[in-house]
Amino acid sequence: DQQVKQNSPSLSVQEGRISILNCDYTNSMFDYFLWYKKYPAEGPTFLISISSIKDKNEDGRFTVFLNKSAKHLSLHIVPSQPGDSAVYFCAAPKGKLIFGQGTTLQVKP
Amino acid sequence: DADVTQTPRNRITKTGKRIMLECSQTKGHDRMYWYRQDPGLGLRLIYYSFDVKDINKGEISDGYSVSRQAQAKFSLSLESAIPNQTALYFCATSDQQKQGATNGYTFGSGTRLTVV
Repeated sequence: DQQVKQNSPSLSVQEGRISILNCDYTNSMFDYFLWYKKYPAEGPTFLISISSIKDKNEDGRFTVFLNKSAKHLSLHIVPSQPGDSAVYFCAAPKGKLIFGQGTTLQVKP
Repeated sequence: DADVTQTPRNRITKTGKRIMLECSQTKGHDRMYWYRQDPGLGLRLIYYSFDVKDINKGEISDGYSVSRQAQAKFSLSLESAIPNQTALYFCATSDQQKQGATNGYTFGSGTRLTVV
């Protein structure tokens, strides 16, 4: 039972453009959602989160949008930079964190 | 020094061998986790421990065992390694008091395990 899903395994964008990473979930009871970023040879690191009572949270170039009726959240990166190239995981808590499959973002110079 | 340290960083082992992956933390967190990462499958939880006397199975615990030797140490064992256990393994910690939307998970750098 995959409660948190990322259906796009990879995304490639040009430097300076917008990157949009998507995540769907099935459990309406999640209190919040998180995005993690992972570089090769490193562990995941926390990027940004959003409470289930909000529909938007912004932190610099990163904005997460939550659409509760669609059970969908998205991470927007504007403008995208080559250093943003990494694997991005969405996650939600159910006692412990449940992660999506991850999306590999490549930002081309 | 890293807050969450995993050893070894890389390991190649033969099918049928017993292997232990170790994790230690200096965060003072009470909760510890073992995840495995596979391409296309994301991070899947193997085992977790909310304190020294607490051990819980995750979604993919078969073929694995764990030991919480102390609050700071949580080891993962493969009693008889098989090739489909080839993966990247991550240890993580969290603090019950600080867990939430502001996040409290700290991950180690991972152990790349190859079973041949």
